[in-house]
Order: sequence, then structure tokens, then C-alpha cells
Amino acid sequence: SQTIHQWPATLVQPVGSPLSLECTVEGTSNPNLYWYRQAAGRGLQLLFYSVGIGQISSEVPQNLSASRPQDRQFILSSKKLLLSDSGFYLCAWSVSGDLEAFFGQGTRLTVV
Amino acid sequence: SQQGEEDPQALSIQEGENATMNCSYKTSINNLQWYRQNSGRGLVHLILIRSNEREKHSGRLRVTLDTSKKSSSLLITASRAADTASYFCATGPFSGGYNKLIFGAGTRLAVHP
Repeated sequence: SQTIHQWPATLVQPVGSPLSLECTVEGTSNPNLYWYRQAAGRGLQLLFYSVGIGQISSEVPQNLSASRPQDRQFILSSKKLLLSDSGFYLCAWSVSGDLEAFFGQGTRLTVV
Repeated sequence: SQQGEEDPQALSIQEGENATMNCSYKTSINNLQWYRQNSGRGLVHLILIRSNEREKHSGRLRVTLDTSKKSSSLLITASRAADTASYFCATGPFSGGYNKLIFGAGTRLAVHP
């Protein structure tokens, strides 16, 4: 069966520090991978999506970047965090962009 | 950008009552999905309805789709306190060469015992 792992669950980082959030998927090949951000009490904003290794599409201009060094690994990064980067980050995968997505448990990032 | 918009934003009901949430979207779709999110957790897929379907059932869930109005509704019958969560609709519009799953702002449902 397929599983998705996302870590860490919570993270408190100072302004200006780097960020690396990792997401890995097991039990499937060539998944579509997504990073979403969710502000408190709000919907999900699509940040990045990837349809293959090294193929990253950015949805909104921001202080973040994403990479897909392996087929089932998706990394969200920042060189210098801003206060506005605080939020709940969710990784997800799907077979296709318009089919069922499977989510990780999320990372709550607080930038202080 | 958001493809789907849910209403109401928040809904508070008593156990045993039915809960109806609505979703509107902007572009043509192949299907529409509904997800549930417990507080502070990831989303869980509930149901997918294809564009050529008008109604679909899964347990206590009933989803309708009206492609002419670009709208969908999720009905939870005989609600339970455990149904308390946020509910999101999502579509996968084709853009930039790919289908990308886009979510609405969600409806926060509170079911009181």
C-alpha cells in the first residue's frame, strides 16, 4: 500500500534561518507531488507541484523553493525565513492532477 | 488562486441533523472531489464525482454536481459529533500543461452533542 511521510510535525525557526521540509512517498512510482500552505482557519494554497524528477512548477512568487531529487522525494526549502512564512505546510501525492490526493500529516512552521 | 469556493464558511448544528455544504468552481472539470480535515491534520479524501455524474452516495455522504451551474453540494446525513471538521472541495483544472489539484477555502462544521 502507498504511504506518505512528512516531517517534522512542528518546527520553530528564527527569522533569517534556512528551512528544509522533507516528504517521501512509498509504494508508488512517478507520483504527482504537491506542497500546499494553509493559513490558520483558511483553505490550501498550492505552492509547488511536480510531475517528475527535477520538474518543479511554482504557483506563487515567494521566499520558498522546492526540489525533487528522487522520484518519491519532495523537499521544500528556504534560504532565509520570513515571519510571513509561518503556516501549516502539507505535502501530497496523486496519480494524476485531477484524481484523489493523499496527504501527509503536515508541518506546523512558526517563524519567530 | 482558488478554483473552488465553499459556503457557508462555518456551520454549527446539533447531532442528528443534516449538514449541507456548497461549492462553486470556475473552469470546466473532469471531476470534483471532497476532502475532510480534522484540526491540525492532513486532508482525507471523501468522495470523487465525475463530470458526467449528477449524484453520488457513500455511506452518510451524498454529493451532487451541477456542471451547468458549476456547483456541487455535500450532504452529511444524521450528523455525529465525530463529523466535526473542515470540509473542502477540490478540482483539478488543466493549466500550464498539467492538471493541478486546487482547493476551496472550506467549510468548518461543528456538530454539537
